[in-house]
Amino acid sequence: GESVGLHLPTLSVQEGDNSIINCAYSNSASDYFIWYKQESGKGPQFIIDIRSNMDKRQGQRVTVLLNKTVKHLSLQIAATQPGDSAVYFCAEKIQGAQKLVFGQGTRLTINP
Amino acid sequence: DAGVIQSPRHEVTEMGQEVTLRCKPISGHNSLFWYRQTMMRGLELLIYFNNNVPIDDSGMPEDRFSAKMPNASFSTLKIQPSEPRDSAVYFCASSLSGVSQPQHFGDGTRLSIL
Repeated sequence: GESVGLHLPTLSVQEGDNSIINCAYSNSASDYFIWYKQESGKGPQFIIDIRSNMDKRQGQRVTVLLNKTVKHLSLQIAATQPGDSAVYFCAEKIQGAQKLVFGQGTRLTINP
Repeated sequence: DAGVIQSPRHEVTEMGQEVTLRCKPISGHNSLFWYRQTMMRGLELLIYFNNNVPIDDSGMPEDRFSAKMPNASFSTLKIQPSEPRDSAVYFCASSLSGVSQPQHFGDGTRLSIL
């Protein structure tokens, strides 16, 4: 399954499938991007980050892709598990700014 | 490893009362952030400290809100007087150094102002 932007707040995938969560960021001068996972009743949990001088970064079961041409960021989760159910946020830092700006989030639900 | 520790986890109080939220950042982190999360506005930065000095407080809603960081291991966010519209989840986060490093969040304080 694929989310086509933060205006689509919920993504449902089958357990074992790959998930792709997309984020359209706002500023071409953004130089740092980060993904968080937030489970109910908990704080956002850091997943992976990427700087603007890279276009891909991999972690354990996760990959972040950055397309600066179209100002697009995606988070790929391989072999989605029930424990991946959460709200996922992207955030960007504009060059020279002293804050992260968070997106609205995408809720990922896993179907057994 | 101890993460960011916030207290209390829940706070319910009547409008007009003073509210104090507390945060202990991860040891060795020199940057601390206070955020507010609501359904309507999402996750918003209130204030950012670096080496105990406030760097950006442009997100602090108004004079009723104040934050302090008296030392590297403790920060407070105070609301006085509190209002019902202050009801939200307040998060504290810390990073090794600055905004271009991963911020690690506590589990938040859920604040309800009646």
